Amino acid sequence: DGGITQSPKYLFRKEGQNVTLSCEQNLNHDAMYWYRQDPGQGLRLIYYSQIVNDFQKGDIAEGYSVSREKKESFPLTVTSAQKNPTAFYLCASSIASGQGVQPQHFGDGTRLSIL
Amino acid sequence: AQSVTQLDSHVSVSEGTPVLLRCNYSSSYSPSLFWYVQHPNKGLQLLLKYTSAATLVKGINGFEAEFKKSETSFHLTKPSAHMSDAAEYFCVVSEYTGGFKTIFGAGTRLFVKA
Repeated sequence: DGGITQSPKYLFRKEGQNVTLSCEQNLNHDAMYWYRQDPGQGLRLIYYSQIVNDFQKGDIAEGYSVSREKKESFPLTVTSAQKNPTAFYLCASSIASGQGVQPQHFGDGTRLSIL
Repeated sequence: AQSVTQLDSHVSVSEGTPVLLRCNYSSSYSPSLFWYVQHPNKGLQLLLKYTSAATLVKGINGFEAEFKKSETSFHLTKPSAHMSDAAEYFCVVSEYTGGFKTIFGAGTRLFVKA
């Protein structure tokens, strides 16, 4: 079955450490997205990518980095510069938005906590 | 400017009674509107979408929503709640005007009592 796989499901980070969250999709979607979800808030966009080797900052990109070397993969690195990384991170994909605004398909998330 | 307001942070209904989750939006252009559902520790699942076709949109699991431009609303309804409907629901507005922009509402948690 097609879908989005996020790993790991739970992740712990030590102070000063970078961590990378994995997101893989087999839906053949061009566009991929990373969101952060905090309790009582809606999702906030971190980064998005419309095509391989291209990505744009979202509303809260500071302290995060991404790469898009393959269509299927869009890993997110939470750097030590992100001072409050504890959150639930969601990856999503869609048909490219340039073809009309499309619904997004979501993974089951990674919960990141600070040790 | 885009914005989405979900008018209730929590809604509680009894099983078998109607569900109403309220959403107001603002958008400078013709937006696409969505409702998603999220069960605990899971990703979001699309319930339905409005993209300037019929104003009454039917979705999965018996949910539907009506786009009312004059009221800038997109409320989600279901005639009869089921225990499995207990979850968090997000109203979302999206538009593409040379750049991608999507805004998520803060969410409404639906409780269903037996």
